[in-house]
Amino acid sequence: EVQLLESGGGLVQPGGSLRLSCAASGFTFSSYGMGWVRQAPGKGLEWVSCISGSGDNTYYADSVKGRFTISRDNSKDTLYLQMNSLRVEDTAVYHCAKVGDILTGYYTRFDYWGQGTLVPVSS
Amino acid sequence: DVQMTQSPSSVSASVGDRVTISCRASHGISSWLAWYQQKPGKAPKLLIYGASSLQSGVPSRFSGSGSGTDFTLTISSLQPEDFATYYCQQASGFPLTFGGGTKVEIK
Repeated sequence: EVQLLESGGGLVQPGGSLRLSCAASGFTFSSYGMGWVRQAPGKGLEWVSCISGSGDNTYYADSVKGRFTISRDNSKDTLYLQMNSLRVEDTAVYHCAKVGDILTGYYTRFDYWGQGTLVPVSS
Repeated sequence: DVQMTQSPSSVSASVGDRVTISCRASHGISSWLAWYQQKPGKAPKLLIYGASSLQSGVPSRFSGSGSGTDFTLTISSLQPEDFATYYCQQASGFPLTFGGGTKVEIK
């Protein structure tokens, strides 16, 4: 059974930093791209970032480019999101998600999602 | 960037009704479209990918159609567990983008 468990959320002040983690199990982690998708309170889904299975290729939304860094440790089956220079508008539940395509370089869908971790950014 | 527009933003329906949700892309995306269902406080769940392929384990009352810029999610006979918010997502390239969501409510 595929499981994705996020951690690392919590209250942070504007301008602060936080690192989110996502522990994966139930599949061959290194064979799949992964991503982060966030949801502001009462709002819709917003894609944040993706990373290839090897970690060689990364992609970011313009809203977080230069401030957030996605990475992965395939020896630990863990995905990360380093968030710097946080803004009030980054307040959201952050979900990690598994890409459904194996070793293709495509990112056509997210077939499994974690429950998310809440990141409130406030002074 | 490809903008995704869903309509309606909400729909009221009864158990047993046929429900259709539309999603329009600002540029052609071939069949690179996925649909998700989300219930309050829960993670999204993949329903459809490739515009019309049913994800494993998803009931056959859910179906997707369309290509290019216009897509539809259909629930053939609404069940009590289907009351939720539905999102489309384009996968033709980065940045990946989601529609604004359609909330299916009980009439």
